[in-house]
Amino acid sequence: GAGVSQSPRYKVAKRGQDVALRCDPISGHVSLFWYQQALGQGPEFLTYFQNEAQLDKSGLPSDRFFAERPEGSVSTLKIQRTQQEDSAVYLCASSAQSSYNEQFFGPGTRLTVL
Amino acid sequence: EDQVTQSPEALRLQEGESSSLNCSYTVSGLRGLFWYRQDPGKGPEFLFTLYSAGEEKEKERLKATLTKKESFLHITAPKPEDSATYLCAVQSANNLFFGTGTRLTVIP
Repeated sequence: GAGVSQSPRYKVAKRGQDVALRCDPISGHVSLFWYQQALGQGPEFLTYFQNEAQLDKSGLPSDRFFAERPEGSVSTLKIQRTQQEDSAVYLCASSAQSSYNEQFFGPGTRLTVL
Repeated sequence: EDQVTQSPEALRLQEGESSSLNCSYTVSGLRGLFWYRQDPGKGPEFLFTLYSAGEEKEKERLKATLTKKESFLHITAPKPEDSATYLCAVQSANNLFFGTGTRLTVIP
């Protein structure tokens, strides 16, 4: 079956613009995660959903970042008033289990803020 | 403070030259340690989960081991297609932390 997909793959935004990044997890996967990965670094945890419930949002760097998964499948990460420091690859992962174990990652969205 | 450190940052091996990658961690209440492989421009690919000291997992040329302070990813007789960045992640009671990875290059 299909893996995790993310769109767009690349996004260029002007500073101050709002952006929305989409994640389509593997069908039936309970858990969904968002990560931010800077160049040459490991992924940094942003937020975690179990079905439609956002159980952990402790990694969101500011109140400009907002994530939702209203029907327990597709998720959107929204960044308001983008800043240059938001430039990174945003990764989405899903897992069949209600835990951090065995996550399947999408290819990521590379966000560049000019 | 919870921390994950991977070494070396980069490793170049000749094809067939076995070696080990290290992941050292300090975490309050280890819930699990995960190894992932990441190719350029792609998301990480899950390899292993280890839960307790003494545990070992194997997959093809890779073997992961765990102690109370560190984990090793042993690569036996590597091939060029094993070239990638290998990431270690540690789950504590409330968080998941990734290391910065080891960039492995296997030369034919």
